[in-house]
Amino acid sequence: RKEVEQDPGPFNVPEGATVAFNCTYSNSASQSFFWYRQDCRKEPKLLMSVYSSGNEDGRFTAQLNRASQYISLLIRDSKLSDSATYLCVVNIRGSQGNLIFGKGTKLSVKP
Amino acid sequence: DTAVSQTPKYLVTQMGNDKSIKCEQNLGHDTMYWYKQDSKKFLKIMFSYNNKELIINETVPNRFSPKSPDKAHLNLHINSLELGDSAVYFCASSHSGGATSGRLGTDTQYFGPGTRLTVL
Repeated sequence: RKEVEQDPGPFNVPEGATVAFNCTYSNSASQSFFWYRQDCRKEPKLLMSVYSSGNEDGRFTAQLNRASQYISLLIRDSKLSDSATYLCVVNIRGSQGNLIFGKGTKLSVKP
Repeated sequence: DTAVSQTPKYLVTQMGNDKSIKCEQNLGHDTMYWYKQDSKKFLKIMFSYNNKELIINETVPNRFSPKSPDKAHLNLHINSLELGDSAVYFCASSHSGGATSGRLGTDTQYFGPGTRLTVL
């Protein structure tokens, strides 16, 4: 079983749509959780950290379910500029900060 | 100002050559990393390094060696390049807290723009 699993997509949605990405992780020692965004031929950039209580940043909402080892990202009112690959990332306790990346979910927002 | 920079951006070379990729960060971070992103877009840690400890991913061939002249630099040297080494290599950095401190935000990693290595 992969350490971090995501649906690779692609998710093709119209502008203004709401889209949700899911992610599961296998290591129960995972202690920090993130969503990164990677544009084509660019470096990954932190989109948001994911906190146990859930957190929101504008149109983006992240949720964490530790019992189910499940993370989600909800994007409301999709913009063309949201088109990218969204990477689910976990940091395992005692791992010297090494991040474990999922393969990413590709989102394409169409006009 | 570029927070994490890498050179070169593109590197095309022949099999068997030795090459280096340079990375510099001006964020004052204590920990730096090298990642490899292969043709399937899977991003995988190769090394993490701070002034105390080098952690090597056991799957990384010993042809790859990180070299850190100072806290702000972590270069990647590759000997005897092989076709399978073709990938994009990303450098990253974070505060020294990392996973061990448990402090939120300290383990956020900032990535360089990547070096696209092609081995012919």
